[in-house]
Amino acid sequence: DIQMTQSPSSLSASVGDRVTITCRASQGIANFLAWFQQKPGKAPKLLVYAASSFQRGVPSRFRGSGSGTNFTLTITSLQPEDFAIYYCQQYNSLPPTFGRGTKVEIK
Amino acid sequence: EVQLLESGGGLVQPGGSLRLSCAASGFTFSSYAMSWVRQAPGKGLEWVSTIIGSGANTYSADSVKGRFTISRDNSKDTLYLQITSLRAEDTAVYYCAKLVTRDALNDAFDVWGRGTMVTVSS
Repeated sequence: DIQMTQSPSSLSASVGDRVTITCRASQGIANFLAWFQQKPGKAPKLLVYAASSFQRGVPSRFRGSGSGTNFTLTITSLQPEDFAIYYCQQYNSLPPTFGRGTKVEIK
Repeated sequence: EVQLLESGGGLVQPGGSLRLSCAASGFTFSSYAMSWVRQAPGKGLEWVSTIIGSGANTYSADSVKGRFTISRDNSKDTLYLQITSLRAEDTAVYYCAKLVTRDALNDAFDVWGRGTMVTVSS
């Protein structure tokens, strides 16, 4: 199975900050990488797929990049509604696997 | 509007069984593979099973093989997960999820249900 390593596991940031979350795959996955946002008690929400393609309706402050084994999700200007847990997921090969998540908290 | 609605969760004793359902609406259900993803309390996301649009092929995580069976009824736009021989570590919220791309086997998940809680305890 492909292991997905996210970092950091948590971070504190202020509204307006630029935030970067990284995800590393244990082997190359081309651009078969998605990012999700999950708020307490809610289902995950797809933000980015194919490493850098926006899901419809997602604000443009969420930017995905990378290919191969190294990927990043950047929130260019953190908003109050962005405090949540973020997960990456690879779908290059079965089984699809998720990172352990990055919790973005209010500073 | 594309929607998924799970049902069937509950409290079950170790070794017991449940059947989870996921009613789909707002898209051509039979054209998309569907999956179950679970999340134990306070933990991350774990893929469980995927079934292709026709239902002819299924794929499951090693942790549930032989105990969980994914199926679908395209005439009812409904996805199922039959879970048997339940263990405490199966306690989780179970989400059904739609894959992004029509006819894809492995993909990101663009639509999720609200989830149904399965608690395994004596």
